[in-house]
Amino acid sequence: DIQLTQSPSFLSASVGDRVTITCRASQGITSYLAWYQQKPGKAPKLLIYAASNLQSGVPSSFSGSGSGTEFTLTISSLQPEDFATFYCQQLNSFPLTFGGGTKVEIK
Amino acid sequence: EVQLLESGGGWAQPGGSLRLSCAASGFTFSSAAMSWVRQAPGKGLEWVSGVFGSAGSTYYTDSLKGRFTISRDNSKNTLYLQMNSLRVEDTAIYYCVRGHPLSSSFGMDVWGPGTTVTVS
Repeated sequence: DIQLTQSPSFLSASVGDRVTITCRASQGITSYLAWYQQKPGKAPKLLIYAASNLQSGVPSSFSGSGSGTEFTLTISSLQPEDFATFYCQQLNSFPLTFGGGTKVEIK
Repeated sequence: EVQLLESGGGWAQPGGSLRLSCAASGFTFSSAAMSWVRQAPGKGLEWVSGVFGSAGSTYYTDSLKGRFTISRDNSKNTLYLQMNSLRVEDTAIYYCVRGHPLSSSFGMDVWGPGTTVTVS
């Protein structure tokens, strides 16, 4: 199985900060990686698909990059509504797997 | 509006069974890749099972050891998850999700609100 390691697991940041979350895969997954945002008590929401494509309706402050084994999710200017937990997911091979999550909290 | 709505969650004893259903609307269900994803209390996301492609190939996470079966009824626009030999560690919110319409390898773009399964 492909393991995904997210870092950091916890992040404290202020409104307006630039935030970067990393997801590393245990083997190459080309660009078959997605990023999700989950707020407490809610279902996850797709932010980025195929590593770098912004899902419809998602603010352009979110961006994704990477291929192979290393990927990043960047929030260019953190807004109050962005505080949540973020997950990466690989869809290159079965079983599909998620990273452990990164919780972004207000400093 | 594209929607997924799960049902069938509840309480079960260890060793028991439950069948989850997911009613889909607002899109062509028969051509969509569909999956179940679960989240144990206070934990991260875990992909459980999916049905992909025109042949309806099914896949499962390794830890299930044949206890769960995914199926779909395209005439009813409904996805199912039959869960047998339930264990305490199966306690979770179960989400029904749709594979991205451009490619199921791109991500999962629609999520239901989830249904809670408690095994104790």
